[in-house]
Amino acid sequence: EIVLTQSPGTLSLSPGERATLSCRASQRVSTRYLVWYQQRPGQAPRLLIYGASSRATGIPDRFSGSGSGTDFTLTISRLEPEDFAVYYCQQYDSSPYSFGQGTKLEIK
Amino acid sequence: QVRLQQWGAGLLKPSETLSLTCGVSGWSFSGYYWTWIRQPPGKGLEWIGEINDSGGTNFNPSLKSRVTMSVDTSKNQFSLNVNSVTAADTAVYYCARGRYGLDYYMDVWGEGTTVTVSS
Repeated sequence: EIVLTQSPGTLSLSPGERATLSCRASQRVSTRYLVWYQQRPGQAPRLLIYGASSRATGIPDRFSGSGSGTDFTLTISRLEPEDFAVYYCQQYDSSPYSFGQGTKLEIK
Repeated sequence: QVRLQQWGAGLLKPSETLSLTCGVSGWSFSGYYWTWIRQPPGKGLEWIGEINDSGGTNFNPSLKSRVTMSVDTSKNQFSLNVNSVTAADTAVYYCARGRYGLDYYMDVWGEGTTVTVSS
């Protein structure tokens, strides 16, 4: 099973700042199969990025994904108040299609 | 606009069977892998498994021995059963529209059903 490790566990930033979230895989993951989700409190997860770098429909361009192999990054260029949430990466490279443990982005 | 609406019992006793159903509206049911995910209180997401419109399944080995999934294409519904539940199965359960062809992601989610296992 591929284990995804996200860091940091919690990231404290202010609106307008840049956020960089990391997802490291225990073995190589094809970029096609790396996905990012956002989850706000009390809500279902929301698809942000698929294929490591493609934004889902309706996702603002301040969200971007990058990376390859075992290291992937989600970047939020300028934080808006609604961006403070928990972010999960997920891999579809091999079953079970595991998630990382999440990074909580909180207001500083 | 595709919508997933889910329902099922929210309170179970240990050893009972969890049963949830997810109804799909506004989109074709065929071609997709329909997926179940759960989230224990205060914790992260766990992929439970998926089923396609032909009934083909793929389960997480951590739950495989207790999980069954089924699909009813005439009603555009798919279901999850987990037998012999324990307190560790207490979680919010989500259904989602999963992978399709070369598209590997879950882009539409149900609202979630809270399932509590308690004696």
